[in-house]
Amino acid sequence: EAQVTQNPRYLITVTGKKLTVTCSQNMNHEYMSWYRQDPGLGLRQIYYSMNVEVTDKGDVPEGYKVSRKEKRNFPLILESPSPNQTSLYFCASSPGTSPLTGELFFGEGSRLTVL
Amino acid sequence: GDSVTQMEGPVTLSEEAFLTINCTYTATGYPSLFWYVQYPGEGLQLLLKATKADDKGSNKGFEATYRKETTSFHLEKGSVQVSDSAVYFCALRMGNDMRFGAGTRLTVKP
Repeated sequence: EAQVTQNPRYLITVTGKKLTVTCSQNMNHEYMSWYRQDPGLGLRQIYYSMNVEVTDKGDVPEGYKVSRKEKRNFPLILESPSPNQTSLYFCASSPGTSPLTGELFFGEGSRLTVL
Repeated sequence: GDSVTQMEGPVTLSEEAFLTINCTYTATGYPSLFWYVQYPGEGLQLLLKATKADDKGSNKGFEATYRKETTSFHLEKGSVQVSDSAVYFCALRMGNDMRFGAGTRLTVKP
């Protein structure tokens, strides 16, 4: 089954404790992206990747890191989480790049709470 | 910059009522336009799209027409069902940039 898989789905952590949210897609998509969803703000892009070893900042990259060592994986790293990073996070992928042509396929989301 | 504005919710309707969710956009060129739907506990999924002016996207009884003159892409459905309860996001794509609206929560009551 074609899908985007995120883990963990739910996480409660404390300020400053490094964490990684994994994202994996099995559709051989070139494009992958991370979004955060906050009430009243919709989806805001954190980082995106057009292909392996190519990543770029979105609208709200502060406090986050990503890497794209393999085509299928695009982990989101919070080196020192803070309470303002409490949010619902979505990973998405899409076939094709330059320009982005296909629809976005989303994971089920990871709800993160930072105390 | 490019942006999308959609009507604020929440929207509550009775089953079989007519639905309209307004969406307008601002873009420097000619974007592709999308409606995504998010059912409870799930990720977003594409509902319909239109890639040029006057195109009509349709799926599952939902429709939206790309209106360049009014820079709008309003979502409509003639008769909603309880199963349509979800959050609906309008979005635009310009090149490699995707922009989403804030989302509109729809609740349909039996």
